[in-house]
Amino acid sequence: DGGITQSPKYLFRKEGQNVTLSCEQNLNHDAMYWYRQDPGQGLRLIYYSQIVNDFQKGDIAEGYSVSREKKESFPLTVTSAQKNPTAFYLCASSVGTGGLEQYFGPGTRLTVT
Amino acid sequence: GEDVEQSLFLSVREGDSSVINCTYTDSSSTYLYWYKQEPGAGLQLLTYIFSNMDMKQDQRLTVLLNKKDKHLSLRIADTQTGDSAIYFCAENEGQGGKLIFGQGTELSVKP
Repeated sequence: DGGITQSPKYLFRKEGQNVTLSCEQNLNHDAMYWYRQDPGQGLRLIYYSQIVNDFQKGDIAEGYSVSREKKESFPLTVTSAQKNPTAFYLCASSVGTGGLEQYFGPGTRLTVT
Repeated sequence: GEDVEQSLFLSVREGDSSVINCTYTDSSSTYLYWYKQEPGAGLQLLTYIFSNMDMKQDQRLTVLLNKKDKHLSLRIADTQTGDSAIYFCAENEGQGGKLIFGQGTELSVKP
C-alpha cells in the first residue's frame, strides 16, 4: 500500500529535551512538508522540501530543524528552543511543487511537560 | 500576508445540505482545496478547483468559486452522520506548493 507513515502516534517528552518525529512516504513524491496544528487553528507550515538535500523554512520554523537525506524520508526535530512544542504535527507530500495534491500522514501528537 | 477565513462551526440535520464557506486573499492562487479531518487523524483531500473554474461537482460535493469576491464554498448534499468532521479550505501561495489553510469549520450532523 502506498502512503505516508508517521511514528509514533503519541509522543511524550520532558521540557528541555530534543525530540525527532518520523515521516516516511513510498509514493515517490518529490516534495514533503511539515505542519503544526493547534486546537481551533488551521495548519501552519514549519518546513518544506522540494528535493533531496534541500529544504526551506515555512512560517514558523523557529525551534525546529529538518533533514532530507533520502527522497522518502523527512524527519522533523523539535528542539528545546521551541517555546510551545505541545501540538499535533502533520507531515504531507506531493508529486511536485505545484502543490496540486498534498497527501497527509496520520499525525503525531507531541506532549511536552 | 495571505489569509484564509472560515466560520468555525456548522450544525445540520441528517439528510439536509451543508454549505461551508471560505474567503481568501491571494488572487494569484492557482488552486483552491477542501480537506476533511476526522478526530485525531490526518487530513484527507476531498476536492480541489482550478482558479479558472466557477464550479466543480463530484458526487455529493459541489464547489463554487467566486473569484471576484474571493469566496469559495463547499456544498455537501444529503449530509450523513459520517460527514461530521472538520473541513479546511486552503489556497496555494502564488505559483508554488505552499498551502495556506483556514482555521477549519467543524461540521456537526445530528440524526
